[in-house]
Amino acid sequence: GAGVSQSPSNKVTEKGKDVELRCDPISGHTALYWYRQSLGQGLEFLIYFQGNSAPDKSGLPSDRFSAERTGGSVSTLTIQRTQQEDSAVYLCASSLGRFSAEQFFGPGTRLTVL
Amino acid sequence: QKEVEQNSGPLSVPEGAIASLNCTYSDRGSQSFFWYRQYSGKSPELIMFIYSNGDKEDGRFTAQLNKASQYVSLLIRDSQPSDSATYLCAVNGAGNQFYFGTGTSLTVIP
Repeated sequence: GAGVSQSPSNKVTEKGKDVELRCDPISGHTALYWYRQSLGQGLEFLIYFQGNSAPDKSGLPSDRFSAERTGGSVSTLTIQRTQQEDSAVYLCASSLGRFSAEQFFGPGTRLTVL
Repeated sequence: QKEVEQNSGPLSVPEGAIASLNCTYSDRGSQSFFWYRQYSGKSPELIMFIYSNGDKEDGRFTAQLNKASQYVSLLIRDSQPSDSATYLCAVNGAGNQFYFGTGTSLTVIP
């Protein structure tokens, strides 16, 4: 079956532009997670959805970051007025439910802000 | 203080040896603990999870949890060159946030 998919795989943008990253979780997975991984760093937790709800948005680095999930499926992470420090790999993961042990990760979107 | 701390390594072990990876966490209320493996340029994949104090074994992998010491470890027995990767420790904190360590780079030398 299909795994978690993310698009685009690579995105190069200019400082100040807005970008939108997409995540398509495994069918039936109700929990969805966004992470950011900078070079040589661990995964930084950004936000978690259970269904369409995000109980805790405190992990988002700034108010330039927002995320939504519709229909309990696809999620988009939007970064407004991108900065060079936003350059990283953005990873999405999904799991069967809030207390499910295993998160399945997508291939990531590599964002480069020039 | 970071939520999850790991020795970044690199850790090198000869093929067939035991590799020991360690992780400490700061949130005493954490309930779930995970080890992920990440090959270079790839996404993380789950190896083990553990909830209770003690040891949990799965094939060549053993996860060890000591909540009193806030310490989690992963042992890899009979290490193989294919085990060479970065190993990420993750902890499920309050509010269902997940905190990952920066990872330990392991190289298994043939």
